[in-house]
Formats: sequence, C-alpha cells, structure tokens
Amino acid sequence: QVQLQESGPGLVKPSQTLSLTCTVSGDSIRSYSHYWAWIRQPAGKGLEWIGRIFATESTDYNPSLRSRVTLALDTSKNQFSLQLRSVTAADTGIYYCVRDSGLAVPRWFDRWGQGTLVTVSS
Amino acid sequence: DIVMTQSPDSLAVSLGERATLNCKSSQSILNRSNNKNCLAWYQQKPGQPPTLLIYWASIPESGVPDRFSGSGSGTDFTLTISSLQAEDVAVYYCQQYYTTPTFGQGTKVEIK
Repeated sequence: QVQLQESGPGLVKPSQTLSLTCTVSGDSIRSYSHYWAWIRQPAGKGLEWIGRIFATESTDYNPSLRSRVTLALDTSKNQFSLQLRSVTAADTGIYYCVRDSGLAVPRWFDRWGQGTLVTVSS
Repeated sequence: DIVMTQSPDSLAVSLGERATLNCKSSQSILNRSNNKNCLAWYQQKPGQPPTLLIYWASIPESGVPDRFSGSGSGTDFTLTISSLQAEDVAVYYCQQYYTTPTFGQGTKVEIK
C-alpha cells in the first residue's frame, strides 16, 4: 500500500523559505513508473498544482510559481522535498505531496499524503 | 491556464436520490492523439485529502463505488452520483491535465 507523509515547519515568517519533505512508503521514488508532486490548498479555497519531480531529477513547475520553487529528491531516504522562497501570507495553506500517474506530462493524482498546514506569519 | 468552473457551488440531495455535478473548461481538453478527455474527478471529505474517483473523464479508479460515473467531452463534463449515500457528503473537484494541471473551485454535496 503506497503511503505519503508530509513533514516540516508549520509556521514560516514572511520573506523566508518554506521547506517540506515527503516520505514515501510502499513505492520507490527511484522507479521510472511515476512522477512525484506537490499540490496546495489555501484555506477555504481550491487546489493548486505546484510542480513534480521524476527519478532522473527531471522537474516540471507551475509557471505561476516557477521562479520561487525548487523540488529535489533524496533517494537514500525515499523522500522528495519542496522549497518555496520569499513566502507571503498568500502561501498559507495545506500542502499535499502526491503521486502523479503521468510520465511525459502530468496526469491525475492517485495517491495523496494527509497534508500539512503551513502558516506564513511573523 | 485553462480555467475550470464547477456548478453549482453547493448541492443538497436526499438520500438515495441522484446528484449531478457539472464542470466546464475554458477550452477543449480533448486529447486528439488518443481521443480522450483530460479530466479527473476527486472527492474530498472534511479533514481529509482528496481521493481520485475518475480519470479520462469516465474511467473509475479501482475501488470506487459504481454509483459514481463521469461523462462529457470537449468542454463540458458531469459527475453523477446515482443514489446518494450519507458517506458521499464531501466537496468534489474536477481537474484538467490537458496542460498545466488546474482544478475547479469545488462543489459541496450535502444531504437534504
């Protein structure tokens, strides 16, 4: 059974960097069968795709966030991570790590972590 | 970006009755290479992450009850719950993957 679990600080100060890690169990992020992605959900709002990463470290980013986002892999721990720079209150929300069923292009997301709430506030 | 617009924003349906949820894309999301529509539906129960219900507009994810079905093509899509159960109370989202993935704003389904 594939499981994903987000971890990281729940509070980040404005202008600083939001850093989250996703630990995957039941699947290997080194396999060439899936991409691994981040999606966020501002409080009371809809869902926004942030970006995704593959075992080769190939990445795709949402153009609206590309200048501030970096995704990375830690294959030794079967983890992938998100860094979002220069955060503001608009970046407050629940962050989900997910498994992307697509290869050449993003598709649907068939496994989700429970999500972690990140608040941007001084 | 392709804008996804769902309607209605909320819907109250009696137990056992049909629920019809709509999703409209700002441009066609039909993939001409495989003649499939790049649309997925998710269910999000309170305090939980979304779960995948349907992809390619009409293919149910494994384990999804058969009362859930998806239809539509081009720009207009529908999720139908044929006989609403209490456990179906949730917010439902559509998502396009024709280009950079985007989601609708959600439809909240409640019991009347």
